[in-house]
Amino acid sequence: GDSVTQMEGPVTLSEEAFLTINCTYTATGYPSLFWYVQYPGEGLQLLLKATKADDKGSNKGFEATYRKETTSFHLEKGSVQVSDSAVYFCALSAPAFGNEKLTFGTGTRLTIIP
Amino acid sequence: DADVTQTPRNRITKTGKRIMLECSQTKGHDRMYWYRQDPGLGLRLIYYSFDVKDINKGEISDGYSVSRQAQAKFSLSLESAIPNQTALYFCATSDLFVGELFFGEGSRLTVL
Repeated sequence: GDSVTQMEGPVTLSEEAFLTINCTYTATGYPSLFWYVQYPGEGLQLLLKATKADDKGSNKGFEATYRKETTSFHLEKGSVQVSDSAVYFCALSAPAFGNEKLTFGTGTRLTIIP
Repeated sequence: DADVTQTPRNRITKTGKRIMLECSQTKGHDRMYWYRQDPGLGLRLIYYSFDVKDINKGEISDGYSVSRQAQAKFSLSLESAIPNQTALYFCATSDLFVGELFFGEGSRLTVL
């Protein structure tokens, strides 16, 4: 079945450091890929998405590129801020065969220290 | 006011009790979902509904039931709660295409 594997956390970085959170996937058909963010005490919210190979999603300084050859969708940010501290979830949607729902990874907790 | 509202936000109950978690939305979306979140396991889908007459089991539906009372309301019930149902529960909605889910703030349930 469909699955998402993302790097284990927690990840702790200093402010202005470069961030990479790895995400790889297994899916039938041609999935769409997503990153969601969960700030403390809140529900998840969509951060960015990509719907086909080589697409780059971007938002709030975060970027991720849909790499079909490596089945990856790694999240990157050039200079993190304390306000980026949150849990980040990679997810996929593979609507082939009527499977119209999101499959989430286990989440990566990110803490940014000043 | 939040677009997706969950009640209660926190609940402590005892083993064997019946519990209902309620979700209401003002986004006008047809699709609604219930997920549970456990540390180290991410989010797992319990039930989902694509319209009022459509209810589908997710990957972990055992021990749960749902009711879609209206387009805007989707309730999750635990008929006889057990301790391993202690978790953070999220309701979510989406428009026609499954991609952007809109989540409530979560209901933290503790079963003693």
